[in-house]
Amino acid sequence: DSGVTQTPKHLITATGQRVTLRCSPRSGDLSVYWYQQSLDQGLQFLIQYYNGEERAKGNILERFSAQQFPDLHSELNLSSLELGDSALYFCASSGSSGHSYNEQFFGPGTRLTVL
Amino acid sequence: EDQVTQSPEALRLQEGESSSLNCSYTVSGLRGLFWYRQDPGKGPEFLFTLYSAGEEKEKERLKATLTKKESFLHITAPKPEDSATYLCAVRGSGAGSYQLTFGKGTKLSVIP
Repeated sequence: DSGVTQTPKHLITATGQRVTLRCSPRSGDLSVYWYQQSLDQGLQFLIQYYNGEERAKGNILERFSAQQFPDLHSELNLSSLELGDSALYFCASSGSSGHSYNEQFFGPGTRLTVL
Repeated sequence: EDQVTQSPEALRLQEGESSSLNCSYTVSGLRGLFWYRQDPGKGPEFLFTLYSAGEEKEKERLKATLTKKESFLHITAPKPEDSATYLCAVRGSGAGSYQLTFGKGTKLSVIP
């Protein structure tokens, strides 16, 4: 158990809909990262938040957005969903400095299925 | 742009048959090379971080090594419970320095 929690575990929805994925980082970690994992693309970085502020953006679509709240939990919002958005979505967290900042610990993921 | 290539894509070993997985990388200013283990439908589990060429880390039957262009994950006398996908990732010091760039992984199957 990494200490990172994600809800829900599974999500099934229809094209065009909007969903919200939730992540709680390990106790004391200030950084939260979101990744998408599909069979053909592997793990792809989406976005990072550090202590409530956006720090880095990767291959995140404009239909997707995220935020980190004062209690450090984070939400990833996916809208106008398409079939190709079906994937595993992982959240990871890391500490605030030095080697602890470098090492990311992953949650169990949310499996999104768009029908 | 940071790049990571892992080989082989899949590897089948008999229990007790030692082998190595390869991770080749290109990165501007390595700030860390990471190995993770991932079981089907689960989140990646952190194994090791390596920072400089010549560094080695060990955990049970696993040993990770690093050169300037590659990392190897050596598996000694594997057991069926070592079956998983092993992922390699790098963090560089360029524009995307806060993110990890992952390879596509090596799927290891250990047959009893």
